[in-house]
Amino acid sequence: GAGVSQSPSNKVTEKGKDVELRCDPISGHTALYWYRQSLGQGLEFLIYFQGNSAPDKSGLPSDRFSAERTGGSVSTLTIQRTQQEDSAVYLCASSLASTRTDTQYFGPGTRLTVL
Amino acid sequence: SQQGEEDPQALSIQEGENATMNCSYKTSINNLQWYRQNSGRGLVHLILIRSNEREKHSGRLRVTLDTSKKSSSLLITASRAADTASYFCATAPSGNTGKLIFGQGTTLQVKP
Repeated sequence: GAGVSQSPSNKVTEKGKDVELRCDPISGHTALYWYRQSLGQGLEFLIYFQGNSAPDKSGLPSDRFSAERTGGSVSTLTIQRTQQEDSAVYLCASSLASTRTDTQYFGPGTRLTVL
Repeated sequence: SQQGEEDPQALSIQEGENATMNCSYKTSINNLQWYRQNSGRGLVHLILIRSNEREKHSGRLRVTLDTSKKSSSLLITASRAADTASYFCATAPSGNTGKLIFGQGTTLQVKP
């Protein structure tokens, strides 16, 4: 079946603008995760959603970052008033549930460049 | 902050040789997972080892876990040029319901 998809694949924006990044998880997966990867670094957890539960936002770096997951499927990560340090690859993952042994399946990522 | 520390940061070997990558972590975990990443984009899940397991195999991959030392290793045997990628360990901390904490990764180059 189809994997996790993300759009756009690349986004170039100017400092101060808002951006929206989209993630379509694998159908039937109830858990959805957002991570950020700066150049040459590992992944940094941002936020995750599990079903109808309140999301775990503990990884969001500032209040300029927010995410929604509508209808338990598609998710949008919004970055307001972008800064150059926001430049990174933003990766989305989904899993069947958020139990501790569930494999997370990653999308190809969105490369964000803030000029 | 990242929990995992991986070494080496970079590894270059000849095709056919074995590659070993190590990962250390700081807190108790439910499981530890290894992922591969090609060209800085999407990650591919390789193998998961639970905290009560000590060793696991999958094809040419062998993973060990030592919870007393809070460390894991990934061994790739008979490496191929196609194994060239970055490899990350990720831990699922105890008490956590799904969030993964990733290490900085090891960049492996396999020369043909």
